[in-house]
Amino acid sequence: AQRVTQPEKLLSVFKGAPVELKCNYSYSGSPELFWYVQYSRQRLQLLLRHISRESIKGFTADLNKGETSFHLKKPFAQEEDSAMYYCALRLYNQGGKLIFGQGTELSVKP
Amino acid sequence: GAVVSQHPSRVICKSGTSVKIECRSLDFQATTMFWYRQFPKQSLMLMATSNEGSKATYEQGVEKDKFLINHASLTLSTLTVTSAHPEDSSFYICSASQAGERGYGYTFGSGTRLTVV
Repeated sequence: AQRVTQPEKLLSVFKGAPVELKCNYSYSGSPELFWYVQYSRQRLQLLLRHISRESIKGFTADLNKGETSFHLKKPFAQEEDSAMYYCALRLYNQGGKLIFGQGTELSVKP
Repeated sequence: GAVVSQHPSRVICKSGTSVKIECRSLDFQATTMFWYRQFPKQSLMLMATSNEGSKATYEQGVEKDKFLINHASLTLSTLTVTSAHPEDSSFYICSASQAGERGYGYTFGSGTRLTVV
């Protein structure tokens, strides 16, 4: 069955430290993956998607089909990166619906 | 960029009444809209998928008679919570997508905080 797993509920780092938010997926089809960010009291915003291979706010993510992972990375965390991060998988053969991981709260301390 | 307006942002209603939540795509045509429910600091749980002009597809465990979804036009979808109960209190979020092509993203509404008293 299709599934997105974010094993860490909370990740706390100091400013300037590297960050890696883990995401693993289970899907029999060709995956299309996204990272969304939700700042406090704001709506979900697209951070990046593996198809476009772009880097937003210094974050990058590489799709690893062998490990079925799409981990989000940033070399130097900033305080303004503190937010909820959601990994999502598009089920293209099911009407394009998007299913989400459980979310990881990133807390960047000064 | 694409904008989705969700209204109301917050609503309090009495048990047994119905509440309607609107989701509008302001500058694009949303062929598909999705409705999610989110509990505090938890994931978004997909409730249903609606395509313009057709019946919504509900996820397993979601009562279609309780959560009525209408997608009458390419810019408007509504979710009506009927006969609301306190356990329906939650944060409801809509999302709109253009076409079905790969690479298209999803635009999210700002959410509706429903409190049933």
